[in-house]
Amino acid sequence: DAKTTQPPSMDCAEGRAANLPCNHSTISGNEYVYWYRQIHSQGPQYIIHGLKNNETNEMASLIITEDRKSSTLILPHATLRDTAVYYCIVRVARNNAGNMLTFGGGTRLMVKP
Amino acid sequence: DAGITQSPRHKVTETGTPVTLRCHQTENHRYMYWYRQDPGHGLRLIHYSYGVKDTDKGEVSDGYSVSRSKTEDFLLTLESATSSQTSVYFCAISDSAGAGSGNTIYFGEGSWLTVV
Repeated sequence: DAKTTQPPSMDCAEGRAANLPCNHSTISGNEYVYWYRQIHSQGPQYIIHGLKNNETNEMASLIITEDRKSSTLILPHATLRDTAVYYCIVRVARNNAGNMLTFGGGTRLMVKP
Repeated sequence: DAGITQSPRHKVTETGTPVTLRCHQTENHRYMYWYRQDPGHGLRLIHYSYGVKDTDKGEVSDGYSVSRSKTEDFLLTLESATSSQTSVYFCAISDSAGAGSGNTIYFGEGSWLTVV
């Protein structure tokens, strides 16, 4: 699976959009981009995933560049409860292993009042 | 939230004793996983299962064994607990994923294990 690079930490003002970048320059054609977050002392929480097109759900938007070498997770109106570590993961489905994910260091997002 | 229950949620045990962590799901998902999380290492896969009685090793499987006798239960056993196995253990589940699909993996709330 392709390796990802994320900034170790970011700050965001409450109510503003949080834009979390991720580089995955070695991504191949059948690899998906997944985003998870982990709030302190909880299990990782799925946010969104995509292959080529931009995606949006009730939690966030995912913008994938045309060459697919990078992506941005957007939390449109960050709240204090969005303070967490955000993980960008690139994976390919393997028939036996299902959705085995490899987590990197992630970005620690601090939302400030 | 996905129907995943981990037990026990917290445990303190002595070095050399066996320990079993249980993951129970109500989603009837085919795939189940055990991860551990440690400071500086992130989440690392220990073992996973792709069906009843079908399991395989992850990246940090030494000292651990697993069993899956029913779809809903995936057990992680530390055969002889050591202090290096003090960690937070997360169970995860996902539905079948053929090539080209992007199914989601869901995590439990974690089991905190301390080996003294």
